Amino acid sequence: SQKIEQNSEALNIQEGKTATLTCNYTNYSPAYLQWYRQDPGRGPVFLLLIRENEKEKRKERLKVTFDTTLKQSLFHITASQPADSATYLCALYSTLTFGKGTMLLVSP
Amino acid sequence: TAGITQAPTSQILAAGRSMTLRCTQDMRHNAMYWYRQDLGLGLRLIHYSNTAGTTGKGEVPDGYSVSRANTDDFPLTLASAVPSQTSVYFCASSDGTSGRATDTQYFGPGTRLTVL
Repeated sequence: SQKIEQNSEALNIQEGKTATLTCNYTNYSPAYLQWYRQDPGRGPVFLLLIRENEKEKRKERLKVTFDTTLKQSLFHITASQPADSATYLCALYSTLTFGKGTMLLVSP
Repeated sequence: TAGITQAPTSQILAAGRSMTLRCTQDMRHNAMYWYRQDLGLGLRLIHYSNTAGTTGKGEVPDGYSVSRANTDDFPLTLASAVPSQTSVYFCASSDGTSGRATDTQYFGPGTRLTVL
């Protein structure tokens, strides 16, 4: 079955730096991969979707890449802010499979 | 627009008792989903419904049942709760008309359930 792996350790960075989160998957390459943000005590919120034929997708300070050779998606937040602190989940919508998420902590 | 509402917000339930978690959406989405989220395990799909009148099993359906009598409501029932069902439960919906693979899921605020 398809599995998704995200770094379970929290990522701590300083304000202004670029945060990079990793999502690795096994088996076949998904046609689409989604990224969500989840704040404590709340449901996930959709951020970005990237298709397998798209190398990169951007939305404001967010950038997602998709490497089907490495079976990996990278999620970047540039000029990070303390308000970006949250858990970020990647998801294979076609199989309704979510990664466990990586917590990002941005220090002032 | 409220989006998705879930009730109750939290509940403590005695083992062996039954309970229904309610989920209502006002976006007229075709598809709805129930997930549970546990520390270290992430979000796992319990049941889903692609359209009113149909339901399907997800990754962890045992001990749970659902129904989809209309577009807006998707209740999740625990017939006889066990402590391992202690979790945070999220309901979600998606448009479902453009093809499932690209649909954004909209999540409710969750129900925190403790089974003792």
